Amino acid sequence: AQSVTQLGSHVSVSEGALVLLRCNYSSSVPPYLFWYVQYPNQGLQLLLKYTSAATLVKGINGFEAEFKKSETSFHLTKPSAHMSDAAEYFCAVRQETSGSRLTFGEGTQLTVNP
Amino acid sequence: NAGVMQNPRHLVRRRGQEARLRCSPMKGHSHVYWYRQLPEEGLKFMVYLQKENIIDESGMPKERFSAEFPKEGPSILRIQQVVRGDSAAYFCASSPRQTPQETQYFGPGTRLLVL
Repeated sequence: AQSVTQLGSHVSVSEGALVLLRCNYSSSVPPYLFWYVQYPNQGLQLLLKYTSAATLVKGINGFEAEFKKSETSFHLTKPSAHMSDAAEYFCAVRQETSGSRLTFGEGTQLTVNP
Repeated sequence: NAGVMQNPRHLVRRRGQEARLRCSPMKGHSHVYWYRQLPEEGLKFMVYLQKENIIDESGMPKERFSAEFPKEGPSILRIQQVVRGDSAAYFCASSPRQTPQETQYFGPGTRLLVL
């Protein structure tokens, strides 16, 4: 079985500060990992994904994430927060043996303060 | 290339009525997925369909819920005799292939409110 845990349902940072959103996964086989962003009343937009090509993955809007197998983590970071980054962020996992489904974490609401 | 389209965006139903949610995948995508997002929760997988076939419905409630993806037209998620607990956002996603690393592209969702 696979699962995703996002530590911290709410994260608040100041504009210009580092953004760190945590994601840990549980998977019995090598996973594929995704970060999505959801703005209010909108659908989910892919930020980046890990597909085993490289452990450090760069995504859109200046975000990146590093796959660490030893820590079963895939934390999302951005060096300098912008007001427009305020949204909800979801980590998701998918694996070969689980078929088609994405398994999502509970989400982290990011607030950016001026 | 238009994105995944869902309609209606908002739907209000009274208890006992039927809800029909529509999803048009991106052009060239033949794989459709439905997810449900309850208030203050993450998305939960419901069903995966290809044209005219239900591939995986392990996340669908056993009663009142059904889904289809006909040869022509959008995918439909149907909820019969809605109850207040069905109030949620329902998201459709599509992909061109069914491989684990394939990106699923999400629509804007249908927000169902059951009174």
